[in-house]
Amino acid sequence: QQQVKQSPQSLIVQKGGISIINCAYENTAFDYFPWYQQFPGKGPALLIAIRPDVSEKKEGRFTISFNKSAKQFSLHIMDSQPGDSATYFCAASCSIFGTGTRLQVFP
Amino acid sequence: DAMVIQNPRYQVTQFGKPVTLSCSQTLNHNVMYWYQQKSSQAPKLLFHYYDKDFNNEADTPDNFQSRRPNTSFCFLDIRSPGLGDAAMYLCATSRSPGLQETQYFGPGTRLLVL
Repeated sequence: QQQVKQSPQSLIVQKGGISIINCAYENTAFDYFPWYQQFPGKGPALLIAIRPDVSEKKEGRFTISFNKSAKQFSLHIMDSQPGDSATYFCAASCSIFGTGTRLQVFP
Repeated sequence: DAMVIQNPRYQVTQFGKPVTLSCSQTLNHNVMYWYQQKSSQAPKLLFHYYDKDFNNEADTPDNFQSRRPNTSFCFLDIRSPGLGDAAMYLCATSRSPGLQETQYFGPGTRLLVL
């Protein structure tokens, strides 16, 4: 019940495309769902977060969609750029991380 | 700039030789966390301090200990490193231990065990 399942494990997108990463959780007690971005050799950095009382949150090119009944949430990166190439982790509460998605955006 | 600092960035130790990793923060946050992150895996929480209160995760091996002498500093001690302890160790902070608190991560210390 403490797991967060994340997919895909890796993702290759062309510049300008949409990157979509999905996560699912079990424990309905979770009430905070952050996404972290991690570049090689660096620690994770908070990208965007959502609480379950809203179904969508948008910040610039990054959007979280949240489906409380399905216990799923996803990150959409619009107009993906090579600089977005990194590993993305979803999380539930603040310390239960998904397994990560390595995103590569090619020019 | 307020930040989370980890030293050293790279640490090499020998099998069984105690090693200490250091974390400091200028954010004046009450909570400090230690995570272990193995290659291509998610960070795994080892323990955290809320002020001086130590909170160990149930599955953290006894080989891992921590000290927090003051608000700014927190140390991770590995008493007898094994080959399986080679990993990136991440320190993070937050204002409070609430489940909705944002965590701020340091750059990590990569530990190699020979």
